[in-house]
Amino acid sequence: NAGVMQNPRHLVRRRGQEARLRCSPMKGHSHVYWYRQLPEEGLKFMVYLQKENIIDESGMPKERFSAEFPKEGPSILRIQQVVRGDSAAYFCASSQGNEQYFGPGTRLTVT
Amino acid sequence: AQKITQTQPGMFVQEKEAVTLDCTYDTSDPSYGLFWYKQPSSGEMIFLIYQGSYDQQNATEGRYSLNFQKARKSANLVISASQLGDSAMYFCAMSLSGGYNKLIFGAGTRLAVHP
Repeated sequence: NAGVMQNPRHLVRRRGQEARLRCSPMKGHSHVYWYRQLPEEGLKFMVYLQKENIIDESGMPKERFSAEFPKEGPSILRIQQVVRGDSAAYFCASSQGNEQYFGPGTRLTVT
Repeated sequence: AQKITQTQPGMFVQEKEAVTLDCTYDTSDPSYGLFWYKQPSSGEMIFLIYQGSYDQQNATEGRYSLNFQKARKSANLVISASQLGDSAMYFCAMSLSGGYNKLIFGAGTRLAVHP
């Protein structure tokens, strides 16, 4: 049973470009969470999605960031017009019951 | 406001000894869950242990145990018989009621195990 998959593992973008981060939850999981980890900090919740629905986006920046979890395919976190402050590790997690399993993360570097 | 506090930025322990990593939490919600995750230098987040607010007994998973003191709002992680591979960042996290597991994380504790 494959775990949570994220790709790419590393992503380099220049300022102003778009970044697309993908997450496939564990088989049988239909809940996806995105978190951001700045260097030397803990993870911060961004958004919680179920298939085709955004349930809680209270941690998402108001501009440039969006997320989706379509009926078919992975969840996508999209960052438009990236800035240096967007450089971070972005983790996706899926849950079943009380346990929440994380993917390996995507490390975004904005140059 | 809901908050997780880890007051130890760094800890070190001798191999084969036990170590306690501190975690206190703040919530007025009667129903919540407490988690510990390990983040090695490779960066992935590894689930270690879970404690529900209504669980009567402290959670244990192999060498990991959670010392849950509800009145003091603390959920310390105890690692017994430390191994060199335990060197990593450790994060305490809390989920609240509401039907889903949105996690609030502490700032983490970096543990170094010395031979």
